[in-house]
Amino acid sequence: GESVGLHLPTLSVQEGDNSIINCAYSNSASDYFIWYKQESGKGPQFIIDIRSNMDKRQGQRVTVLLNKTVKHLSLQIAATQPGDSAVYFCAETLMDTGRRALTFGSGTRLQVQP
Amino acid sequence: SQTIHQWPATLVQPVGSPLSLECTVEGTSNPNLYWYRQAAGRGLQLLFYSVGIGQISSEVPQNLSASRPQDRQFILSSKKLLLSDSGFYLCAWRRPLKKETQYFGPGTRLLVL
Repeated sequence: GESVGLHLPTLSVQEGDNSIINCAYSNSASDYFIWYKQESGKGPQFIIDIRSNMDKRQGQRVTVLLNKTVKHLSLQIAATQPGDSAVYFCAETLMDTGRRALTFGSGTRLQVQP
Repeated sequence: SQTIHQWPATLVQPVGSPLSLECTVEGTSNPNLYWYRQAAGRGLQLLFYSVGIGQISSEVPQNLSASRPQDRQFILSSKKLLLSDSGFYLCAWRRPLKKETQYFGPGTRLLVL
């Protein structure tokens, strides 16, 4: 399969535990943030997003926390399941620009132990 | 619903050969389109983006080029591949003037030998 994540930091958790994946973003002016999940050999899949006017947003089993003071983003996954095993990327962007491109973090591999 | 397709899924090419990767989007009009490359164990690097037919912006100098001959078609090309062009190539789309979320295709794995 795809060799994404050969040198990535790895978080190993037990099935049923909560997972916390952290990301430090680079641009203090960024005002929109996204978490993606990438399984081996596949394209990134959108998980959840948050705008800079919020510090917390919840989805189904996932919560994103944003701390603009220290430029830190985290993804919390509740009751982690084997299907959550993947590489997780955070991405940031500045909405008021023409290119609207995303800047991605380097990624974290999540391994869920049964 | 919107879908994004990429082909081929996997490609092995000799150094110096040409390249053409195709990306198409269905179910939306006038999308913003993006090409990214992902090296093994790395994050995604933006290569090109397009806000409309014939409008291409390059993010990094390189051996590749992009074209958008139709509204929902985005092509990544090279005249002569280098070993360093190997990687996982991802196409993405985004609704203009809407939320910033980009949606990715399944990717093309390119191996240059």
